[in-house]
Amino acid sequence: DADVTQTPRNRITKTGKRIMLECSQTKGHDRMYWYRQDPGLGLRLIYYSFDVKDINKGEISDGYSVSRQAQAKFSLSLESAIPNQTALYFCATSDPTGGVTETQYFGPGTRLLVL
Amino acid sequence: SQKIEQNSEALNIQEGKTATLTCNYTNYSPAYLQWYRQDPGRGPVFLLLIRENEKEKRKERLKVTFDTTLKQSLFHITASQPADSATYLCALDSEGGSNYKLTFGKGTLLTVNP
Repeated sequence: DADVTQTPRNRITKTGKRIMLECSQTKGHDRMYWYRQDPGLGLRLIYYSFDVKDINKGEISDGYSVSRQAQAKFSLSLESAIPNQTALYFCATSDPTGGVTETQYFGPGTRLLVL
Repeated sequence: SQKIEQNSEALNIQEGKTATLTCNYTNYSPAYLQWYRQDPGRGPVFLLLIRENEKEKRKERLKVTFDTTLKQSLFHITASQPADSATYLCALDSEGGSNYKLTFGKGTLLTVNP
C-alpha cells in the first residue's frame, strides 16, 4: 500500500550494529504498529502506538525500541543487532471507526539480514 | 492471550474449485475476525471483517463464516483462479476487542493450479 512506506526495503548489517527502520504514512491514522514475520511463526507484534504520546510494548519487544516522531512517522531501532533478529519487518496503521472495527494497513516490508 | 490455528500450512486446488480455509481460535471469543491476503515479499492486504454477531459475510467470490460456538471461521473462495494463489491470514482482536490489537494466525498458502 503506497500510503504506508518503509525504508530501507532491504538491509544487511553485522552483529552489534545499531540500525533504524523507518515508517511513514499519509493515511492520517493515529495508530501505528511494528511487526516481524518469520517463516513458521507468522506475524508478531513488536511495538504499537495509539498516538504520538503513547508507546506500548508488544509480545516481542526485547532488543527493540521505537520512536513516534509525529503522527505520520514511527521508527523501529535495533540498538545492537543480533542474527536472530533476521526477519521481515512490517509497519502498519489503523484508524478505528465505530468502536470495535480495526482494519490494519501494511507497508511493503523491510527485509533485514543480520550477519 | 488468544491462540489461533489455521488448518494447514498449504492447500492446493484446481482452478474453478472452491477453496476453503479454516481458522480456529482458543480462549475468549473475539469481537471480530479479519482475513488478509499476503503475496510473497509484500505486506498483508485486508480482505474481509466479520463481527461476533454476524454469521456470514460476502464480497464478490469471497465468503467468510463465523461460528462462535465452534470458535471457528471458514474462508471460502469460489470459482478459484490462479491469481488467487497467495497466503491467507486470519486475525482477531487480541484481548476481547478492548485494545485494538490483532493476533495473526500463521497463514495458509493457497495454490490454485490451472
